[in-house]
Amino acid sequence: DTEVTQTPKHLVMGMTNKKSLKCEQHMGHRAMYWYKQKAKKPPELMFVYSYEKLSINESVPSRFSPECPNSSLLNLHLHALQPEDSALYLCASSQDPGAGVSVNTEAFFGQGTRLTVV
Amino acid sequence: SQELEQSPQSLIVQEGKNLTINCTSSKTLYGLYWYKQKYGEGLIFLMMLQKGGEEKSHEKITAKLDEKKQQSSLHITASQPSHAGIYLCGADRRNYGQNFVFGPGTRLSVLP
Repeated sequence: DTEVTQTPKHLVMGMTNKKSLKCEQHMGHRAMYWYKQKAKKPPELMFVYSYEKLSINESVPSRFSPECPNSSLLNLHLHALQPEDSALYLCASSQDPGAGVSVNTEAFFGQGTRLTVV
Repeated sequence: SQELEQSPQSLIVQEGKNLTINCTSSKTLYGLYWYKQKYGEGLIFLMMLQKGGEEKSHEKITAKLDEKKQQSSLHITASQPSHAGIYLCGADRRNYGQNFVFGPGTRLSVLP
């Protein structure tokens, strides 16, 4: 199984709603990532979890709250989002290279959740 | 300016034609990745290049890494409509205190 599964595929939410994006992989990868991609732009890194611990937070607003309940699951909790947060949210996983070591293996990406904030 | 530049920005070719997409880095490359993305979907890993002069092929797609020029090229032979999509190069930036960065992408259309 070399898949990263993201749910839901599409999500429309109001600015006062609370919702969660889910990501799952069963490849034994210990590093998981959230990326945000606006239309016609490359993905931008949001968070990195390494061995279920948050290792990178790229100055993401607190209305985005990541969670890694176990080595196979990664969630992104959303609260009080703004219309400009509408984007494709991509999850990825890779074998964890260890802190400070270059990534030498490929990252597998999910199909993404297309989020629209109204 | 972008750390990774790609050229061309977009490309329209007739089915059966060969094409090349380039990715140039402003910093020393420690690992260069190529991904393909269909509109609004996730990224599909194509290949990773690590060493200067390295060349890898997958089906009709070949990628090369020129470490001295800090550049990689992706070549598609005898293009097919299934090759259409956005091609992104990505680079490992852990040696620079960052993480992973992507190029802006090249949008490829293949006309039947």
